[in-house]
Amino acid sequence: AQSVTQLGSHVSVSEGALVLLRCNYSSSVPPYLFWYVQYPNQGLQLLLKYTTGATLVKGINGFEAEFKKSETSFHLTKPSAHMSDAAEYFCAVTLYSGGGADGLTFGKGTHLIIQP
Amino acid sequence: GAVVSQHPSWVICKSGTSVKIECRSLDFQATTMFWYRQFPKQSLMLMATSNEGSKATYEQGVEKDKFLINHASLTLSTLTVTSAHPEDSSFYICSANRAASLNEQFFGPGTRLTVL
Repeated sequence: AQSVTQLGSHVSVSEGALVLLRCNYSSSVPPYLFWYVQYPNQGLQLLLKYTTGATLVKGINGFEAEFKKSETSFHLTKPSAHMSDAAEYFCAVTLYSGGGADGLTFGKGTHLIIQP
Repeated sequence: GAVVSQHPSWVICKSGTSVKIECRSLDFQATTMFWYRQFPKQSLMLMATSNEGSKATYEQGVEKDKFLINHASLTLSTLTVTSAHPEDSSFYICSANRAASLNEQFFGPGTRLTVL
């Protein structure tokens, strides 16, 4: 079974500052990793994903994440925070069974607060 | 492309009644659909996985007789909450997997269920 840990239920940064949201996972096999963003009372929007290949993945809205197998991490970063980045962010993991899709296991989420 | 809709977006019902929530993939055929539940300020928890034409697979602790899932076609899955009680009040989110997207799930906007 896989699991996801997001360090920090709340992260506050100033507008224009670096955003770093942490995600560590545990998995018995190489996982597929995702970051989603959720705005209030809305569904989830995919920011980026890692499946195979390049370990540094770039997503929408200037976000990127790096898969580090040795650290079992998939931290999300953005060089310069914008007020519109304020939202809930979820890291998720799944395993591709080959026989079909598997459900996602989500971390508890990190609420990103942007200070003006 | 890859749009998933849910209907209704919110519903209020009396305790003891049943509520049906629809999840549709609008522009692709979904090999698998998933149902998640999200309590306020918490993460998403996978409830069940459904494949078209077969019985849903429920996660441990989810009552299959209470949460009836029907996956009638490659574009429609329904979740029926039977004999709803206030503790069933939650945000229900579906997602759909597109076979060509390597296990990427596309999420619906969610349905807010309030049981009085």
